Amino acid sequence: GAVVSQHPSWVICKSGTSVKIECRSLDFQATTMFWYRQFPKQSLMLMATSNEGSKATYEQGVEKDKFLINHASLTLSTLTVTSAHPEDSSFYICSASSETNYGYTFGSGTRLTVV
Amino acid sequence: QKEVEQNSGPLSVPEGAIASLNCTYSDRVSQSFFWYRQYSGKSPELIMSIYSNGDKEDGRFTAQLNKASQYVSLLIRDSQPSDSATYLCATTYSSASKIIFGSGTRLSIRP
Repeated sequence: GAVVSQHPSWVICKSGTSVKIECRSLDFQATTMFWYRQFPKQSLMLMATSNEGSKATYEQGVEKDKFLINHASLTLSTLTVTSAHPEDSSFYICSASSETNYGYTFGSGTRLTVV
Repeated sequence: QKEVEQNSGPLSVPEGAIASLNCTYSDRVSQSFFWYRQYSGKSPELIMSIYSNGDKEDGRFTAQLNKASQYVSLLIRDSQPSDSATYLCATTYSSASKIIFGSGTRLSIRP
C-alpha cells in the first residue's frame, strides 16, 4: 500500500530558530501534498496545499513567510517553520495523494516543541 | 455552518456492541467520503472510503452514504477496546482537492 514517510517524528528547538520537516511518498508519486497542524484535543487544521513544481496554496490565516513549503519533486515536500515561537508548538502532519492513490495517505506526524 | 459536522462525544459503547458514528456535510459537490481513525498522539489512518450511495462493508466496519441527506456514517461491529480512538469524517471533491475534516468523535469501548 501507499506509504508516506515523515521526519523527524519529534523535534525540540529554541525560540527563534528554524525547523525543517520532510514528507516523502515512498512508493508512489504524490501530485499533491497537504500540510496540517493539530493542537491537543482539536481536529486537523489544513495549513497549505502544494503541487509539485508550483507554489503552495495557503489557507486563510496561515503566514506563508513563516511556514515555507517546498514541493520540488513528486516524492518530496518540506515544511520549514521559520523563527519558531512557543505558540508554534504543535503536531504537524503531512498527507499525500495522487491520481491513483485516492486515500490521502498520512505521514506519521512531527511533534514540534519550541522552548 | 461547518462543512463537516460530527458529534464530539465521547461515545461510550460496551465491548462487543455496535458503535455508530455519524457525520453530516454541507457541500453538495462533495464526491468522496472517508473515515479515519486517530489514536492519541498519532496521525490518522484510513479505515474506509466510500464514493456512492449505499453501504460498503470491510470486516467489522460498514460505511453508509446518503448523498440526498448529505449524511455518512460508520458502524463498528463487535467493538473491541482497541477501537477506542477519535474517528474523523472527511470529504473531498477530487484527488487534487483539499480534504475537509470534521472535528472528530471520541469513541470509548468499555470492557
